[in-house]
Amino acid sequence: EDQVTQSPEALRLQEGESSSLNCSYTVSGLRGLFWYRQDPGKGPEFLFTLYSAGEEKEKERLKATLTKKESFLHITAPKPEDSATYLCAVQAKNNQGGKLIFGQGTELSVKP
Amino acid sequence: EAQVTQNPRYLITVTGKKLTVTCSQNMNHEYMSWYRQDPGLGLRQIYYSMNVEVTDKGDVPEGYKVSRKEKRNFPLILESPSPNQTSLYFCASSWGVLTGELFFGEGSRLTVL
Repeated sequence: EDQVTQSPEALRLQEGESSSLNCSYTVSGLRGLFWYRQDPGKGPEFLFTLYSAGEEKEKERLKATLTKKESFLHITAPKPEDSATYLCAVQAKNNQGGKLIFGQGTELSVKP
Repeated sequence: EAQVTQNPRYLITVTGKKLTVTCSQNMNHEYMSWYRQDPGLGLRQIYYSMNVEVTDKGDVPEGYKVSRKEKRNFPLILESPSPNQTSLYFCASSWGVLTGELFFGEGSRLTVL
């Protein structure tokens, strides 16, 4: 069964304190792994797509990496505006409906 | 502005009273999908549509119907809502089924009493 597990469930950081969020996955043939950001009361907002092990993507203070079993979202020198829930999702190659399997998310709080 | 618009954003209803949650996108996307988000269960796909008049079930389709008569609209219909359908619903769209880059609406919070 395709599955995504994110850790930790919640993470509190001080402004400027770098850290990483983890996304472990099992999938029967990976088409892609996706990171989303979700603010309270809003829909998820797409951040990155990773397709193969070794691939990296960056956007401002965020950097996503991928191995064959997990992905990391590295946050460098975070600011309070980075506070949100970060969702990881995978899409399987054999999936005909475009379905994304989402993890539970990591709720990030960055204090000034 | 590119967007996915859902209505209503909030709704409280009673068991058995039919309701429709509308979804409209202005990006000319082929693919549209509905997800529900529940604490501890995350986001789960309800239905999807690869194009006009082409719809199919996701992981949790029981109790829901959809239609895709126009490219931009993809309403979610609850014919006889039950309390276990109390949830936060998201409509999403993308250029095609092969991409995981979805554009989500702001969500519709539904409570069924």
